[in-house]
Amino acid sequence: QKEVEQDPGPLSVPEGAIVSLNCTYSNSAFQYFMWYRQYSRKGPELLMYTYSSGNKEDGRFTAQVDKSSKYISLFIRDSQPSDSATYLCAMSEVSNIDMRFGAGTRLTVKP
Amino acid sequence: GAVVSQHPSWVICKSGTSVKIECRSLDFQATTMFWYRQFPKQSLMLMATSNEGSKATYEQGVEKDKFLINHASLTLSTLTVTSAHPEDSSFYICSASFSEQYFGPGTRLTVT
Repeated sequence: QKEVEQDPGPLSVPEGAIVSLNCTYSNSAFQYFMWYRQYSRKGPELLMYTYSSGNKEDGRFTAQVDKSSKYISLFIRDSQPSDSATYLCAMSEVSNIDMRFGAGTRLTVKP
Repeated sequence: GAVVSQHPSWVICKSGTSVKIECRSLDFQATTMFWYRQFPKQSLMLMATSNEGSKATYEQGVEKDKFLINHASLTLSTLTVTSAHPEDSSFYICSASFSEQYFGPGTRLTVT
């Protein structure tokens, strides 16, 4: 079993749709949860950073963490074609150290 | 914002040769840098953690004699792939730790 599981997709939605991206994990010691966006042939950029369980909202993006279920989600509201990218979840026991990444979900938002 | 650069962005080399990839933090000092490898449609896999002035810590299964990491200053870390083989062809990404991990744009290595 992989430490972090993420459906690689691809996922295709129409512009304006709500997108839901998810990851599950097996290590109950993970405390820090991140979502990165990666455009083709570029390095990942941090979108959301959450500590422990709960929700966090930033503009059109909402991150949810359910530690009891070992499940995290990223919601994108009013999706735009510019949101088309690969979204990677990542998590760690200690902040910014030894992060484990999901495989990434490739998202396409069609105009 | 914090910027991390990598050089080169793309390199092709022949099997058996060595390739050096540079990772620089341009506007901040990073005591810790990380090296990742990413195969097509797969996740980033941490290869090693590099601390300035000390030996890198390698993940299980990563050959330290094949992937030489040097972190000689607070703004520069290098990864040298020695005696490269076609199976080493991949996308290599570094990150530098400040308040968070800032990733470089990646280096695509193709070994022929």
